[in-house]
Parts: sequence; structure tokens; C-alpha cells
Amino acid sequence: GQNIDQPTEMTATEGAIVQINCTYQTSGFNGLFWYQQHAGEAPTFLSYNVLDGLEEKGRFSSFLSRSKGYSYLLLKELQMKDSASYLCAVTKLNRDDKIIFGKGTRLHILP
Amino acid sequence: DGGITQSPKYLFRKEGQNVTLSCEQNLNHDAMYWYRQDPGQGLRLIYYSQIVNDFQKGDIAEGYSVSREKKESFPLTVTSAQKNPTAFYLCASNRDSNQPQHFGDGTRLSIL
Repeated sequence: GQNIDQPTEMTATEGAIVQINCTYQTSGFNGLFWYQQHAGEAPTFLSYNVLDGLEEKGRFSSFLSRSKGYSYLLLKELQMKDSASYLCAVTKLNRDDKIIFGKGTRLHILP
Repeated sequence: DGGITQSPKYLFRKEGQNVTLSCEQNLNHDAMYWYRQDPGQGLRLIYYSQIVNDFQKGDIAEGYSVSREKKESFPLTVTSAQKNPTAFYLCASNRDSNQPQHFGDGTRLSIL
């Protein structure tokens, strides 16, 4: 079967660092997306990892371990505007296969 | 500017009525998708289309129908068979499944 797990909710403090984990079990794995979604809005693309390792993009970094079926999104210097849901999504080697989304992690930032 | 447009932003359905949600993109993307999102939940795939005149059921296709007569357009009809249609509906597109999806702003459907 196919399964993606993320924590339902997390809370962090403004200016701090938070790590949002995503684990997956799927055959024919190709890559993993991270999206940000503010309440009532559409998701926006953050990152895409295909190879093992860390990719840094400003305050946001994303890590992938293909052997462990594990990814995380690291947010540094948290700002209030980072309060949102963060969705991980898995793509398959067969491009006819659909993208599989996790249920998302709601991140609350405290002042 | 290229983008993906959904309309209307808000839609109300009466009992026994079919309603159609519009999704148009000018990004020249081959693949288009419809998702349903319930409050506090993730995205659930309703239908997707990899190419014109072809589409596949997603995880929750019952009570919905789609068409893909043009590359730019992928309308979703919520039929009267969908007994709990109140949700936020998102349309997305990409060149293929290994490219980021671009999302429309969504349509919020409610029951009168």
C-alpha cells in the first residue's frame, strides 16, 4: 500500500527553529514535494527533493533520506507569517501515477 | 502572466442540484487535478487528467464528474449523488507529475 505520515499539529516560538517530519511508504518512489498552505488559501510550492541530502532555500531547508523513507522541512528564524499548514507529497517513477499528499501539519507560531 | 483560474470563489448548491466548478489554465500544462479539502484536513484527489480527452478517478470520485475537452479547461461537476459536498475545492495543474503543481485560489461550496 501507500502511506504518508506527518504530525497533525506543532507549535513553535517566533525566532526559533522547527522541524516538520514526513515519513512515507510507497513503491516506485521518485521524489517528495513540500507545500505551504495558509488557512483558506491555495497551497504554494516550497521544495522538491529527489536525491538524498539537504537542500537549503533561504530560511527553509528540506531533507530527504530515500533509504529510510523520511523527509523533513526545517524552518529557521520563525516569523508569525509562517503560521500555516505544511503538506508533503510523494511522486512516483511512473509519471502516469498520481501525486500522493499527506494530511498536512498545522504549525502555530507563538509571539 | 500565466496562471490557473477557478470560478466562482463561492458557490451555493440546493438539494438535488448539480453544480459545475470552472478551472482554466494558460500555463500550457498537460496535467490537471481536482482536490477536495475539508476543514483541518489534507487534500483528497477527486479526478485527474494527464492529457486532453482522458481522465482518471482519484480516491473520492463518487458523486463527481469531469471533462477534458480542451487542454486549458478541466471543469468539475458536483452531482446530486454527492451527499456531503460542502468543502473547499482546489484545481491544480503541472507539466507532469514530477513538476510542482500550480494551484488555483479554490472554490468554497456550501449547501443551502
